[in-house]
Amino acid sequence: GQNIDQPTEMTATEGAIVQINCTYQTSGFNGLFWYQQHAGEAPTFLSYNVLDGLEEKGRFSSFLSRSKGYSYLLLKELQMKDSASYLCAVSYPRQLTFGSGTQLTVLP
Amino acid sequence: DAGVIQSPRHEVTEMGQEVTLRCKLISGHNSLFWYRQTMMRGLELLIYFNNNVPIDDSGMPEDRFSAKMPNASFSTLKIQPSEPRDSAVYFCASSPGQAQETQYFGPGTRLLVL
Repeated sequence: GQNIDQPTEMTATEGAIVQINCTYQTSGFNGLFWYQQHAGEAPTFLSYNVLDGLEEKGRFSSFLSRSKGYSYLLLKELQMKDSASYLCAVSYPRQLTFGSGTQLTVLP
Repeated sequence: DAGVIQSPRHEVTEMGQEVTLRCKLISGHNSLFWYRQTMMRGLELLIYFNNNVPIDDSGMPEDRFSAKMPNASFSTLKIQPSEPRDSAVYFCASSPGQAQETQYFGPGTRLLVL
């Protein structure tokens, strides 16, 4: 299978920076998505990385290293509304596999 | 533009009853996905259609589950007979092309089987 590993929980303080890591099996890899899911809501798309490097989108950035099978999502200037589950999802041929999600709690 | 539409939003039923969940894709999208999410197992892909054809149904738990896509914009997921362990949130998602493209999720159906 395509094991995807990400931490179960993280806690950070409002205004801080947090990095959520994701590792995956590299065989057949096409690209990597990050989704945000607030409690009781559907996942929403945050970013998509295909090439190595950092993609920046406002307060959120996503990094990919294809050779290492590693990605991270970087959240800057944390706000209370960023408290949510962050799902790493890896694209393989004809399928998209989701990790279990990292529950981020932002404290005042 | 309307996003993915799912109905019902909530369903409470008794064990043994038939449950039908419905999904309408975003206009112009070609792929449809049914997911199930629980605390224990996370987000699991049940089945994936492309251009109305089932491509991967390896995630369908057992024969009690069936999914159809009678036209390009609509799909149903049926559970018959339902069991308490089927209680979960069922999401439908669509994408413009293939599975590896960005997927847009509907609001989900919260199913409780008593």
